[in-house]
Order: sequence, then structure tokens, then C-alpha cells
Amino acid sequence: SQKIEQNSEALNIQEGKTATLTCNYTNYSPAYLQWYRQDPGRGPVFLLLIRENEKEKRKERLKVTFDTTLKQSLFHITASQPADSATYLCALGSDFGNEKLTFGTGTRLTIIP
Amino acid sequence: NAGVTQTPKFQVLKTGQSMTLQCAQDMNHEYMSWYRQDPGMGLRLIHYSVGAGITDQGEVPNGYNVSRSTTEDFPLRLLSAAPSQTSVYFCASSYSTGLAGSTDTQYFGPGTRLTVL
Repeated sequence: SQKIEQNSEALNIQEGKTATLTCNYTNYSPAYLQWYRQDPGRGPVFLLLIRENEKEKRKERLKVTFDTTLKQSLFHITASQPADSATYLCALGSDFGNEKLTFGTGTRLTIIP
Repeated sequence: NAGVTQTPKFQVLKTGQSMTLQCAQDMNHEYMSWYRQDPGMGLRLIHYSVGAGITDQGEVPNGYNVSRSTTEDFPLRLLSAAPSQTSVYFCASSYSTGLAGSTDTQYFGPGTRLTVL
């Protein structure tokens, strides 16, 4: 069955450094991968999407890579700030809109001032 | 736009009671879904709907019922609550054409925290 693993349950990073979160998957060939941010007591919020034929996507201080050979996506936050502290979820989807997304369990990121 | 709204925010039930979690969206999205989120388990899909009058089961549908009479509303019914249904429930909607290339970016509601005693 499909399996998604996010590198660690919790990650602490010093302010100003680059935070790197990992999403690995097995038994799946996704057409695209999404990253979401979730704050305590709130629903997830969409951040970035990357397709299988794209190597890298950027949005402001965020960068996502997608390696279909390694079956892995990396999510980077550069110049990290305490406000970036949250749980980050990856989700995989197939190429037909009605197919269901499969979510990872998330990584809780804390940026230490 | 209010986006996706959910009521109630919190609910405590006794085992065997039934209730309906409400979800509404004002973005005219065809696709709506219900997830539950448990520690260490991630978001798991309960039921989803690709349009009014059409629903289907997700990964963990047992003990839950849904209907979709309008595009806007997608209520989730717990038929006979059990302690195993203690969880945080999220409703989500997305614009999905069902065609190749549609990306299913989900818009989530704020969640309902349910405790079953």
C-alpha cells in the first residue's frame, strides 16, 4: 500500500538558518506533490505544488524539490523566522482531479530565536 | 468569501449518540471531502463528493454517513458515536475538473474537535 514518511516528527532550527523538511514515499507514482502548513488549532493551508516533471519550485523564501527517482521531496525555508514555526504536511496526488490526496503525518518545525 | 466553514468547533458526545458535523463552502467548488486527523496518523479521508448528489467512501468510512444535496453543503453524520471516533475533523473543498492536470489544491475549514466519552 502507499506510504508517505516525513523525515522527523519535530525539527528545531536556529532563526536565520535554512530549514529542510523531507517527504519520502513508497508504492506510489504521484503526478504532483503539495506542501501545506498547519498551525495549532487550525486547518492546513496550501503553500506550494510541484509536478512530477518539475525539479524545483520557488515561492518567496520557500523552495520545493521533487525527485521521482529517489521518491522524495525536499521543502526548504530560507532565512527562517519564528513565525515559520508550524507543522508542515506533504500530500501526494495522481493526475486526475477526482483522485484522493494522500497526506503524510507532518513535521513540527520550531524556529528558535 | 468565508471560504470553508465548519460547525461546531467543539463537541462532546456520549457513546451511542448521533450527531451531524456541518460543512459549507462559498467558492462554488465541486469537490468536497471530510478528513479526520489523529496524532501520528496524519489526515485520513473519510468520505468525499465530486458534486451534488455524488458521494464516495475514502480510507476510513465506517461509522460515518454523508450526503451532498447542494454544491455548498457537505454534512458528516456520526450514526452511533464510539470512543474511537474521538478526533479532529476537517472539511475541505477544491476546484476539480476531473480532467488530467487538475491539481486538487484543498481549502480546509477550521476543524471540529470531537470527544466521545
